[in-house]
Amino acid sequence: QQQVKQSPQSLIVQKGGIPIINCAYENTAFDYFPWYQQFPGKGPALLIAIRPDVSEKKEGRFTISFNKSAKQFSLHIMDSQPGDSATYFCAAQAGAGSYQLTFGKGTKLSVIP
Amino acid sequence: EAQVTQNPRYLITVTGKKLTVTCSQNMNHEYMSWYRQDPGLGLRQIYYSMNVEVTDKGDVPEGYKVSRKEKRNFPLILESPSPNQTSLYFCASRNGGSPLHFGNGTRLTVT
Repeated sequence: QQQVKQSPQSLIVQKGGIPIINCAYENTAFDYFPWYQQFPGKGPALLIAIRPDVSEKKEGRFTISFNKSAKQFSLHIMDSQPGDSATYFCAAQAGAGSYQLTFGKGTKLSVIP
Repeated sequence: EAQVTQNPRYLITVTGKKLTVTCSQNMNHEYMSWYRQDPGLGLRQIYYSMNVEVTDKGDVPEGYKVSRKEKRNFPLILESPSPNQTSLYFCASRNGGSPLHFGNGTRLTVT
């Protein structure tokens, strides 16, 4: 049973475009939603994260939008650059005391010049 | 520098030959975990450890063993590797409230 569903599996955008990656979850106990970015040959690294008490969080060109009632959250990349080409994973955690993250299956983003 | 170190980065072996992938972290993290990454399947958790001598199965533990004798080390052991264990493996660690820190991966090929 996949607890965090991520789409699309792959995405190609032109430089300057705004790629959007979506995630949906069922477990209402989830209360922390990070996004990880992975470049080829590297491990994933935390990009940005949100808690459900806010509907949006922005860090630089990266924005998470969160819809608690729909149990969905998404990553938007403004003014995308070729250097943003990477695999992106959404994740969810249940409870501040939990160490376990449930990951989506990932989205491979390619930003073409 | 805070990091999770995995060795080796690349490994080619034959079916049935026991191998160990080492993982060490220098951040005094309590929690450590192993994942495998396969195309279209994302990151799947193999085993995790909440502290020394405490380990538990993840989603895909079959064919793997782990141990946590020291806080900093969490080796992954394949007693009898099979071709379906060909994959990219990641070790990760964290404390509560901190991000999950990943190593740079071990690409394993079993022929």
